[in-house]
Amino acid sequence: RKEVEQDPGPFNVPEGATVAFNCTYSNSASQSFFWYRQDCRKEPKLLMSVYSSGNEDGRFTAQLNRASQYISLLIRDSKLSDSATYLCVVNMYSSASKIIFGSGTRLSIRP
Amino acid sequence: DAGVTQSPTHLIKTRGQHVTLRCSPISGHKSVSWYQQVLGQGPQFIFQYYEKEERGRGNFPDRFSARQFPNYSSELNVNALLLGDSALYLCASSLGVGAYEQYFGPGTRLTVT
Repeated sequence: RKEVEQDPGPFNVPEGATVAFNCTYSNSASQSFFWYRQDCRKEPKLLMSVYSSGNEDGRFTAQLNRASQYISLLIRDSKLSDSATYLCVVNMYSSASKIIFGSGTRLSIRP
Repeated sequence: DAGVTQSPTHLIKTRGQHVTLRCSPISGHKSVSWYQQVLGQGPQFIFQYYEKEERGRGNFPDRFSARQFPNYSSELNVNALLLGDSALYLCASSLGVGAYEQYFGPGTRLTVT
C-alpha cells in the first residue's frame, strides 16, 4: 500500500461545478499536510496548507480528518484555469523529515 | 523578490557520467529540499537540508548526494548515471523544516542516454 494515495482521475467537470478530491495517508505520525497544483511540465505551486480546523482560501477549502487519515480539497465555482494536476503532500517530521507526495489527481474543466 | 532558482535548465548526460545540479533558495529561507519527478508521478523526496545539515533522506541509492553551503544554496550530485535517472529534478526552499511551506524552483530536466 502506498503511503499517500490519490485518485488519479482524470476528473472532467463543467465550468462552474464543484469538485472534491481526497487523499489518504497511511502513517498516523504524519504531522503537516499541503495541497499543490502542477501545470503540465511546470513545477508544483503551493495551493494551501491544511490545518486541523480546516481552512479556506477563496474558492478552495481544505480539510483534515486525522481519525480517518485523509485530507480533502474542495473547489467551488471551478474555472477553466483550475485545470491542472493536484498533488497532496504529507510531511512526517520527527527527528528527520520524510516528505511524501501523492501521484496527483488530474482535473480538466470544460467550457 | 527572486524565487527559487535552479541551474542548469536542461542537461544531457551519458550513462556512467556524473552530474551536479544547483539550487538557490528564496532569500531568508534556510532549508532546501531536493526531489525527483518522472512523468506521471508525484515528486519523490531525495534530501532535505537545513543550516547545512542533512535533516531528511528519501529512498535513493548512495549515488545521490547533496550539500548545502553557508549562503544556503545547495548542490545535488548524482554519480554513475543510469538511464532511469532521467527525470525532472526539483529544488524547494522553506524557512525551516517540519510544517513550513515549500516553494519550488522550475527544475532541471536531466536526460541520460
